[in-house]
Amino acid sequence: LAKTTQPISMDSYEGQEVNITCSHNNIATNDYITWYQQFPSQGPRFIIQGYKTKVTNEVASLFIPADRKSSTLSLPRVSLSDTAVYYCLVGDMRGYQKVTFGTGTKLQVIP
Amino acid sequence: DTGVSQNPRHKITKRGQNVTFRCDPISEHNRLYWYRQTLGQGPEFLTYFQNEAQLEKSRLLSDRFSAERPKGSFSTLEIQRTEQGDSAMYLCASSKGLLTGRTEQFFGPGTRLTVL
Repeated sequence: LAKTTQPISMDSYEGQEVNITCSHNNIATNDYITWYQQFPSQGPRFIIQGYKTKVTNEVASLFIPADRKSSTLSLPRVSLSDTAVYYCLVGDMRGYQKVTFGTGTKLQVIP
Repeated sequence: DTGVSQNPRHKITKRGQNVTFRCDPISEHNRLYWYRQTLGQGPEFLTYFQNEAQLEKSRLLSDRFSAERPKGSFSTLEIQRTEQGDSAMYLCASSKGLLTGRTEQFFGPGTRLTVL
């Protein structure tokens, strides 16, 4: 499984756009990039998944450059409720989806 | 879609006792996963089921740990002779099969185990 590297923590003011970058230099051809959000004392929650270029849904965008060695999760206009840990995962979506979580990025939104 | 449920939410036990946790996945999901999470760390994979078959176990899953998924529905995770190092949040997740095109895992709220 490709190893990921992401910042340990980030601070942002309410209303700003937040970009969290994840490095995955050893990503394999069949690997997808998936981001999860986790609040204290809750299980992780799926945010977005992509393979290449850009993916957008109702809560976030995911930017993946052509070499796929990194990806950026973009959260538009964050609010205090976006304070959470964000995990970047890389894995082969064929067969079963064993995923490896790192330590994640702890995002603190400041009023 | 009622989500993944786990019971109990909290369990306090004394060292040496056995504990069992239950996970009820989303009904149409045939894949089920168990993870363990300690404070400040991301979830660590323990084991995976496709229907009733247990297809992979992490080396973290010592012989004191056993998981079952009879009839491919709910799953149980049992820890025998608990140790203080077993204190953690135990998370269950489920997902649809790959052919459906949706591969994300849906997590339950977890069972927090405290071993005294």
